[in-house]
Order: sequence, then C-alpha cells, then structure tokens
Amino acid sequence: AQRVTQPEKLLSVFKGAPVELKCNYSYSGSPELFWYVQYSRQRLQLLLRHISRESIKGFTADLNKGETSFHLKKPFAQEEDSAMYYCALRASGGSYIPTFGRGTSLIVHP
Amino acid sequence: ETGVTQSPTHLIKTRGQQVTLRCSSQSGHNTVSWYQQALGQGPQFIFQYYREEENGRGNFPPRFSGLQFPNYSSELNVNALELDDSALYLCASSPADKEDGYTFGSGTRLTVV
Repeated sequence: AQRVTQPEKLLSVFKGAPVELKCNYSYSGSPELFWYVQYSRQRLQLLLRHISRESIKGFTADLNKGETSFHLKKPFAQEEDSAMYYCALRASGGSYIPTFGRGTSLIVHP
Repeated sequence: ETGVTQSPTHLIKTRGQQVTLRCSSQSGHNTVSWYQQALGQGPQFIFQYYREEENGRGNFPPRFSGLQFPNYSSELNVNALELDDSALYLCASSPADKEDGYTFGSGTRLTVV
C-alpha cells in the first residue's frame, strides 16, 4: 500500500521567509513524487515532479529515499505563494494514479 | 485547446437518491480519473478510465460506477446516496502516453441531505 503524509495542515510565514512544506511517504517500491497546488478559486494543478528536477516559481523538492521524504522548499516566500499544497505519489511504471496527501495550507503574510 | 469541464458545479440530493456527474476531458487526453475530496482532506481516488475501460479502482463500494464514452468524456454515477457522500468530486484527465500529470476540472460540489 502507498501512503502520503503531510503533517502540517497549516503553515503561516511572513513574506521573504523561507518555506518548507513537509511530505513523507510510505511505499515499498520505486515511487514517483509530485507536488500539486491549488490557488484560491483556481483548479488543482501540477507544480512539479521529482523526475524533472526543476525549480518552478522558485520552489524545489528533492526526493530523499533514505528518509522517505519529498519536502517542498522555497528560500523566500511571496504573498502569491499562498495556496493549498498537495503532495502525491504514484508507483513508478504503473498507471498514472497518484495517491494524494491531505494537503497543507500555506499563508504568506505581507 | 479546451480544459477539463465538469457539470453541474453544485448539486443537492436526498439520501437514497442517485446522481450522475459529468466530465469532458481536455483535448488530446484519453484517460479520465475521478476523485472524491471531503472537506479538509486530499483527493481520494475513485476510479480511472482509459479507452472506455476501467483501468483502476480505489477503495469505493460498487454503488460508485462510471462510464467513458468514445469522445473520452466520462460520467460518475453514485447510487443509494449516503450523507457521507457529500464532497467535492474532481475529474482529471491525462494523456496515456505522457506523464505530465493530471489536468483537473473545477469539481462538482455534492451535498446529500
């Protein structure tokens, strides 16, 4: 079975502060990890995937297989980063059916 | 290129009734997945359709059923509605030959009273 845990329901920071949204997973095979984001009044959308190893909107996430984590980081938070963030996992090579965490609400104060 | 559209946006039903939710996939996408999102929770996978066949199913009872049509649009049917079925139902489409992630619809908010 695969499971995604996002321990924080809410993360509140001030503009310019570093942000780390935590994601831990449980899966016995080789996982693929994703971060999805939902801005206010917008649809859920893909932010980044670990395979791409890219930075999107200043966010990065590194897959740490030893710690089974895929934390989302940004060195300097912006107000427009305020949103719900969902970590998701899928089995590598299988159908694209990701399992989502419960989400973390990020609020960036001015 | 059109996105994923879902209808209706909101719906109120009575316990025991049946409901049908509809989804039009994004152009070029032949795979459709349905998720249930309860308040304060992440999306929970219901099932996925690929080329009109069910391609995977989550931990939902048989009263949750679906269809995919030749144009790749899809329906989610729920029979014998229960109060706990109240949730946001999300449809997501993806191209089977690429793994760029889902394109989500805005969802249908179902309230069962």
